[in-house]
Amino acid sequence: AQTVTQSQPEMSVQEAETVTLSCTYDTSENNYYLFWYKQPPSRQMILVIRQEAYKQQNATENRFSVNFQKAAKSFSLKISDSQLGDTAMYFCASGGSNYKLTFGKGTLLTVNP
Amino acid sequence: DGGITQSPKYLFRKEGQNVTLSCEQNLNHDAMYWYRQDPGQGLRLIYYSQIVNDFQKGDIAEGYSVSREKKESFPLTVTSAQKNPTAFYLCASRNRGPTGNTIYFGEGSWLTVV
Repeated sequence: AQTVTQSQPEMSVQEAETVTLSCTYDTSENNYYLFWYKQPPSRQMILVIRQEAYKQQNATENRFSVNFQKAAKSFSLKISDSQLGDTAMYFCASGGSNYKLTFGKGTLLTVNP
Repeated sequence: DGGITQSPKYLFRKEGQNVTLSCEQNLNHDAMYWYRQDPGQGLRLIYYSQIVNDFQKGDIAEGYSVSREKKESFPLTVTSAQKNPTAFYLCASRNRGPTGNTIYFGEGSWLTVV
């Protein structure tokens, strides 16, 4: 069984600043994958970044990067140079070999002008 | 355009009725998934299918049924046995890319019981 915990229900950041969203997980799988999805008010789920657990290098996608600590089972998302369009619900998710994703309850991020 | 299409966007169901949510993808993906999202919650897996004519129950399959007769289509039926069906439903599919597998989502369907 897999569990994903996001301990910050809400966060806010000023435009152009940096913010980090926390995520911890637990899994019995040896090969697994971790994801961050963004859900704006439209409710569309948009992939932000993904990380294969067997890779030690942290994934980066433009202003988004992760801090993957495998031993600690931690997978935090850092958003640099925050923009107003980053305002959304952010979900952390983990999946095993069949990609059955388990999601956290989400963190609502508000970027203030 | 390639993508995942869910319909209808909004659906109202009377007590005791079965309703079917459509999910179609033209991405040539093998695996497809159905998730349910309740207010203030993350997504929970209802059913998934790795290949045509095969599907497995997820974490909350009771009161739901699916079929996978074509690679492109994975409809979800919400039966009268589902006691609390009001929710937002998301369909997803998975590709096998050179950089790894990625799951993509449709735009979702709102189901309300009236």
